[in-house]
Amino acid sequence: DMKVTQMPRYLIKRMGENVLLECGQDMSHETMYWYRQDPGLGLQLIYISYDVDSNSEGDIPKGYRVSRKKREHFSLILDSAKTNQTSVYFCASTPGQRAEQFFGPGTRLTVL
Amino acid sequence: GDSVTQTEGQVTVSESKSLIINCTYSATSIAYPNLFWYVRYPGEGLQLLLKVITAGQKGSSRGFEATYNKETTSFHLQKASVQESDSAVYYCALSDLGTNSAGNKLTFGIGTRVLVRP
Repeated sequence: DMKVTQMPRYLIKRMGENVLLECGQDMSHETMYWYRQDPGLGLQLIYISYDVDSNSEGDIPKGYRVSRKKREHFSLILDSAKTNQTSVYFCASTPGQRAEQFFGPGTRLTVL
Repeated sequence: GDSVTQTEGQVTVSESKSLIINCTYSATSIAYPNLFWYVRYPGEGLQLLLKVITAGQKGSSRGFEATYNKETTSFHLQKASVQESDSAVYYCALSDLGTNSAGNKLTFGIGTRVLVRP
């Protein structure tokens, strides 16, 4: 069963705390993504990972970093979270160009 | 940059009635982008509903249709007769195909929430 998982699904943090969002996929997809979605906006691309240790900034990378040490696992890290990083974060993966992206269920992060 | 504009907010429609969600796009990075409709059901991730990669072609899935119109740069989603189970958030998106053969970047619209009343 092809699946993208995200953990946790809901997270509340205080400003200045570190945040780790985790994403996994069981499809051996090379490319993975992190997006965020805010009210009134479409999904915005934070980072793309083309494979293990091969990451590229998306449109809004500031304040985020990523880690991909295994093909099936892609982490999003917020060092010292800010209130404007409150959002819903989606992870996705794809086997390659022209192929669809498979999305996880999202993580709702609230930074107080 | 690329952009996608779709029907905003919530659309409420009665079961068995027709539905249309408007989508127009602007692609500056590529002349003929791939176009997609994704759907997100409550508690789930986005899933691909349909895609069209050739201008002038129509895509269809689960009773939904969308035609890639390069003259009007539109990709409206339509369904002739909706069901309660179609209640979801629908996203129009385009792909620039990327500069790396391993992946591509999607540009999304803001999403349209559809509520189907019994």
